[in-house]
Amino acid sequence: QTQLVESGGGVVQPGRSLSLSCAASGFTFLSYGMHWVRQAPGKGLEWVAFISYDGGKEYYAESVKGRFTISRDNSKNTLYLQMNRLRSEDTGLYYCAKSSGFDSSAYYIDFWGQGTLVTVSS
Amino acid sequence: DIQMTQSPSTLSASVGDRVTITCRASQHVSNWLAWYQLKPGKAPKLLIYKASTLQRGVPSRFSGSGFGTEFTLTISSLQPDDFATYYCQQYDTYSKAFGQGTKVEIK
Repeated sequence: QTQLVESGGGVVQPGRSLSLSCAASGFTFLSYGMHWVRQAPGKGLEWVAFISYDGGKEYYAESVKGRFTISRDNSKNTLYLQMNRLRSEDTGLYYCAKSSGFDSSAYYIDFWGQGTLVTVSS
Repeated sequence: DIQMTQSPSTLSASVGDRVTITCRASQHVSNWLAWYQLKPGKAPKLLIYKASTLQRGVPSRFSGSGFGTEFTLTISSLQPDDFATYYCQQYDTYSKAFGQGTKVEIK
């Protein structure tokens, strides 16, 4: 069955970097777009970034554009999120999520991981 | 960017109640609208996509409707397992905005 397992979360100081990973299994990873979505403590869901099935298209929320980079390695069935110049407002639970299709528009998120916690604090 | 507004923010209800949550988009999104259920410590779960299509395995007491800018999620008879937070999300554009969430609490 479909599984998404995030890792790499932790406590990091403001201004530093952190890299998240998401190991995918149970589906043909290279056929689907993938997302990162986050939830700050006590807040709602915020879409962060998307990458198309082949890595050819990337989209970002304005709040992370220029600081975060989404990438994927289809040979390893793994999704990544490189987070640079971290701020306190980046604190939250980061979910890896599978798109229902290969691209972005007109495709919804149909499966989520359980998340990995990122805390940005001095 | 498209903004999504849910109401109410919190809803108190009893087992067996009919519950309706509303979601409004700041721009027309056709029927590219999904609903998710969140429970603490669990992965979010897709309930409905394309505004009214029930995801496989989701109980039939959940239903969705709407088109354009106004959407609703209805639970016909609330069950103990349904106390959770619900989010709508548009997927018409690449920036997939969520509503702010509706927490369904026990009355």
